[in-house]
Amino acid sequence: KAGVTQTPRYLIKTRGQQVTLSCSPISGHRSVSWYQQTPGQGLQFLFEYFSETQRNKGNFPGRFSGRQFSNSRSEMNVSTLELGDSALYLCASSPDIYEQYFGPGTRLTVT
Amino acid sequence: KQEVTQIPAALSVPEGENLVLNCSFTDSAIYNLQWFRQDPGKGLTSLLLIQSSQREQTSGRLNASLDKSSGRSTLYIAASQPGDSATYLCALPGKAAGNKLTFGGGTRVLVKP
Repeated sequence: KAGVTQTPRYLIKTRGQQVTLSCSPISGHRSVSWYQQTPGQGLQFLFEYFSETQRNKGNFPGRFSGRQFSNSRSEMNVSTLELGDSALYLCASSPDIYEQYFGPGTRLTVT
Repeated sequence: KQEVTQIPAALSVPEGENLVLNCSFTDSAIYNLQWFRQDPGKGLTSLLLIQSSQREQTSGRLNASLDKSSGRSTLYIAASQPGDSATYLCALPGKAAGNKLTFGGGTRVLVKP
């Protein structure tokens, strides 16, 4: 089975712009979660989607949003980018509430 | 609120030595606990998943133990190799339904040849 894929792998944006990141889960997995990883805060949960519905949400501002499509692919969007949004964004998929499988991440740099 | 701690933050050992990595958590009412490995700038690789009903889980040179009553899990890596150099993270899901993981800060391991 193919693993979790994330696109793009690297991204450079300017403050104030918006960005959309994409995640394709492992075939058959209905849960997709997103995490932000920074040197200062470590790994923090953003949100989780299960069968196109947001099932969990972390403590991030409303500038961070996401959605899931009927084929389980997920996108997350960050509007009005700030320098502090520079991070590695990781996506994870799971068949339900089991072991999570992570993608390679998208490295976002905001200048 | 579940809090997860990993001490030490960094560890350096000579090749061949056994590695012992610690993970502490504050809420013992856990569903499972997962250990991950992360190479610099890369995603997470799942190493072991221990269900709350299990005391330990093994895969090759890796062995993870779980003691819910004391809020601890330990990852043992036998006969360490330079290729084991990476950051190791433990994570636990929250009580709410779903896959919200709370991660420890990780232990950065360097195995010297």
